[in-house]
Amino acid sequence: AQTVTQSQPEMSVQEAETVTLSCTYDTSESDYYLFWYKQPPSRQMILVIRQEAYKQQNATENRFSVNFQKAAKSFSLKISDSQLGDAAMYFCALRLTGGGNKLTFGTGTQLKVEL
Amino acid sequence: GAVVSQHPSWVICKSGTSVKIECRSLDFQATTMFWYRQFPKQSLMLMATSNEGSKATYEQGVEKDKFLINHASLTLSTLTVTSAHPEDSSFYICVAGGKNEQFFGPGTRLTVL
Repeated sequence: AQTVTQSQPEMSVQEAETVTLSCTYDTSESDYYLFWYKQPPSRQMILVIRQEAYKQQNATENRFSVNFQKAAKSFSLKISDSQLGDAAMYFCALRLTGGGNKLTFGTGTQLKVEL
Repeated sequence: GAVVSQHPSWVICKSGTSVKIECRSLDFQATTMFWYRQFPKQSLMLMATSNEGSKATYEQGVEKDKFLINHASLTLSTLTVTSAHPEDSSFYICVAGGKNEQFFGPGTRLTVL
């Protein structure tokens, strides 16, 4: 079975500053995807960034980037130049390439952005 | 990305009644639909996976006779909560899956009085 762990229930960041959200995971499989999802108060899940496990290069999407350490099974999310609209719950998730494509989620990190 | 809708967006019902939630993929064919449940301030927990035209596969601990899932077409899946009780009050999210992508519905808030 797969597990995803987010050890930071809450994080705060000043506007325009940088924050890193932590995520570790466990799987015996070698082929999988990792995701960061944002869930604002509307509760609509929004895909922030995706990383294929076979790719060594860290994914980047504008102000969002990841630090993917496959051997350590770590997948942190860095948000640069934080904006008020970044305030939300962030979930780390794992999906195996085979096995039905279901997502396993972490417990989430509530990010607060302060002026 | 593709658009997935859920109806209703929120529903309040009396204990003992049944509630049906629809999930539609509006602009692509979803070979697989996933149903998740999210309690307040908690993570998403997978309830079941359904493939078009076949029976749903339920996760351990999820009562298949209580949470009926039908995936009759590539664009529609339904979740029926039968004989709902207050402990079934939750946020239900469907995820429509294509070949390599998955798209989230906006969720349905169920409150059972």
